[in-house]
Amino acid sequence: EAGVAQSPRYKIIEKRQSVAFWCNPISGHATLYWYQQILGQGPKLLIQFQNNGVVDDSQLPKDRFSAERLKGVDSTLKIQPAKLEDSAVYLCASSWFRGPLYEQYFGPGTRLTVT
Amino acid sequence: AQTVTQSQPEMSVQEAETVTLSCTYDTSESDYYLFWYKQPPSRQMILVIRQEAYKQQNATENRFSVNFQKAAKSFSLKISDSQLGDAAMYFCAWGGAQKLVFGQGTRLTINP
Repeated sequence: EAGVAQSPRYKIIEKRQSVAFWCNPISGHATLYWYQQILGQGPKLLIQFQNNGVVDDSQLPKDRFSAERLKGVDSTLKIQPAKLEDSAVYLCASSWFRGPLYEQYFGPGTRLTVT
Repeated sequence: AQTVTQSQPEMSVQEAETVTLSCTYDTSESDYYLFWYKQPPSRQMILVIRQEAYKQQNATENRFSVNFQKAAKSFSLKISDSQLGDAAMYFCAWGGAQKLVFGQGTRLTINP
């Protein structure tokens, strides 16, 4: 079974530029998550999709971050314009939709550096 | 809201020895899971072990075991016979209603 794919693995941009990250979840996984992991901290949920609908985006800075999940499969996360404090690893995860808890499978992440 | 606290930013252990990583959490939910994830320098989050809150028996996965104290809201991870490949960041996480809440992590170093 192929894992969660993310690209790019690394990205360096200047502040005020825009950037986009891509995630392809495990086939058949209905739920997709984007996390932000700042150096030295645990991952923080940014947005959660169920198929192509948003379940939770309460911690997404909507003035600069946006995300979409077309056709309930791939997802993109965009930052525009980027700030220095957006430097972090962006993790994508996916899970099945069944039972009270859904084990999450993580991708390798994208390390973003904003200069 | 759920919170997870890992009070040990760094731990080190001699190869082949045993080490215990601490985690406490706070929740008002009755149905939840607890997890330990490992994150090596490659950044891939790898599930190490999980515990269902309704189970009294502590989970075990080979060299990894947990001490789950539900009343105390404590969930520690014991690694026996530590190996060089165990070196990584370890995150404790609370899981419920399709969500995961992570602690700050503990960096584990294995000394040869």
